[in-house]
Parts: sequence; C-alpha cells; structure tokens
Amino acid sequence: DGGITQSPKYLFRKEGQNVTLSCEQNLNHDAMYWYRQDPGQGLRLIYYSQIVNDFQKGDIAEGYSVSREKKESFPLTVTSAQKNPTAFYLCASSPRQGRGNIQYFGAGTRLSVL
Amino acid sequence: AQSVTQLDSQVPVFEEAPVELRCNYSSSVSVYLFWYVQYPNQGLQLLLKYLSGSTLVKGINGFEAEFNKSQTSFHLRKPSVHISDTAEYFCAVSLTGGGNKLTFGTGTQLKVEL
Repeated sequence: DGGITQSPKYLFRKEGQNVTLSCEQNLNHDAMYWYRQDPGQGLRLIYYSQIVNDFQKGDIAEGYSVSREKKESFPLTVTSAQKNPTAFYLCASSPRQGRGNIQYFGAGTRLSVL
Repeated sequence: AQSVTQLDSQVPVFEEAPVELRCNYSSSVSVYLFWYVQYPNQGLQLLLKYLSGSTLVKGINGFEAEFNKSQTSFHLRKPSVHISDTAEYFCAVSLTGGGNKLTFGTGTQLKVEL
C-alpha cells in the first residue's frame, strides 16, 4: 500500500537531548513537509522540501533541523535548542507540480519531554 | 500573506441534525481551498477541495462546501451527521502561484451526540 510512515508513534526526550523523527513515503512525491500541532493552534509549518537535497524553513523552524538525502525520506531532528518540544508532529507529502496538489499525511509522532 | 479563520473551536450537534462549520480566509491573491478531517491521534485526511469552477464542492462522507468569493468564505456543511463524524476539522488555503504550501486554520472540534 502506498502511503506515509512516521515513526516512532510516541517519543520521549530528555533535557538537552536531540531526537529524530522519521518520515518515509512510497508515493513517489517530490515535496515533503513537517508540521507541528498544538491544541487550539492548528498546524504550523516547520520545514518543507520541494526536491531532494533542498529544503526551506517554514514559519517555526527555530530549534529544528531536517535533511533530504533521498526522495522518499525527510527526517526531522528536534534539537536541544527547542525549549518547548512537546507536541504532535505530522509529516506530509505532495506531488511538486500541478494545481492545488493535495498533501497526504502520516499518522503522526507524539513527542513529550521527560 | 494569507490567513484562515475558523471562528468556532467547538460545535456540538445531535445525531441526524445538519451542521455547518465556518471558514473565512484572507488573501490578496487567488487561493485554493481545502477541508481536512482528523480523527483522534491520527493524521489528516482530505474531505474536499476547491480549485476553480463550480462553487459548490462535494466531498467524501456526505460533506460539501461552498466557495463564496465576495465573503471570502468556504463553509463546510453536512445535512445529517452521524456519530462517526465526531472529529476535528481543519480549513486550509494555498496560493494558486505559491507551490503547495498550506496555511491552516486553528480547527473546529465537531462533537456529535446521541
């Protein structure tokens, strides 16, 4: 089945620790996105990538880093500089070209601080 | 920059009653409009989208939405809700010339009661 796989489903971070959230897609999509979801705030864009080896900051990139070495993979690292990392993180992908392309979402990773 | 407003954070409704979830947007250029649904602890699933053409858009699960350019609105409606429609609903916009980046509203929690 084609889709987006996020792992792990739950993740705990200790103070001062970097953690990496995995996102893999087998939809052959060019573009991938990371969103952060907090209660009552909707989804906010962290980083996005339109093509391999290229990515741009979204609205709340501070304290996060990404890489896009392969078309199917777009991991997100939550660094120790992110002082309030507790949130639900969603990865999405879409075809790069075309009008109003739909974004397809993974099931999310819930990150908590120990 | 574009923005999306979902004024109702929660909407309680009885089963088999009609429902309308409101969405207003702000943009100086043309936009594409989307409604997504999120069930607890899951990713987002597309309900429907408006790109151009007919202003009444039909989606999955019996939902429909009407694009009103003069009122900059894209309200979601369903004539008769079911208990399984209980979920959070997000309205989103993307610019017609701005790639596939989405700007989300803060969401509306629809709670269907027996």
